[in-house]
Amino acid sequence: DAGITQSPRHKVTETGTPVTLRCHQTENHRYMYWYRQDPGHGLRLIHYSYGVKDTDKGEVSDGYSVSRSKTEDFLLTLESATSSQTSVYFCAISEFGDSPSYNEQFFGPGTRLTVL
Amino acid sequence: DAKTTQPNSMESNEEEPVHLPCNHSTISGTDYIHWYRQLPSQGPEYVIHGLTSNVNNRMASLAIAEDRKSSTLILHRATLRDAAVYYCILRRNNAGNMLTFGGGTRLMVKP
Repeated sequence: DAGITQSPRHKVTETGTPVTLRCHQTENHRYMYWYRQDPGHGLRLIHYSYGVKDTDKGEVSDGYSVSRSKTEDFLLTLESATSSQTSVYFCAISEFGDSPSYNEQFFGPGTRLTVL
Repeated sequence: DAKTTQPNSMESNEEEPVHLPCNHSTISGTDYIHWYRQLPSQGPEYVIHGLTSNVNNRMASLAIAEDRKSSTLILHRATLRDAAVYYCILRRNNAGNMLTFGGGTRLMVKP
């Protein structure tokens, strides 16, 4: 299994509080991603990173910010959590190149966030 | 981004082959066809991908129509552990390697 961990795995917080989720990888992959998944739906991309300090927005980036100061860590921050951000958050990593083994995304176990 | 269409759910009997269809009529020439699956309470996992030719790996086979407007994921002998949501995704060959997930097909496997 790819070395991806997410912390915390579960979190309950109140509306208006800041929340930071951490994704840590031991694979030295260049690309890292944050997705959210709501009940009965597929994953939606929030932000992604293509290198240290290089990030870009995904499909549902409003209300979220990210930072990547080291290759192995990608942080997702909810500056002021809202109930609509209650979801399961998945981190993923990938490399990019011509080899068939590239281009897969490897996913972490997820963080279940509840905003009351 | 080009979209995919999959049935919401399918059923299969254990140890029988399963054919999971996917339509992608607006696919472009540089779109790769990827399949991921998500087991209950887990993150998605890669299954297989292809561009034009059929592909086989240890998990499954991918059959791609000649016009590339549809594809089929084939599980040769379904097991109870194959019960999952299967996502057919088109990935544009550009920087970012991003995936756009749809609703997927929920596969139920009966013993």
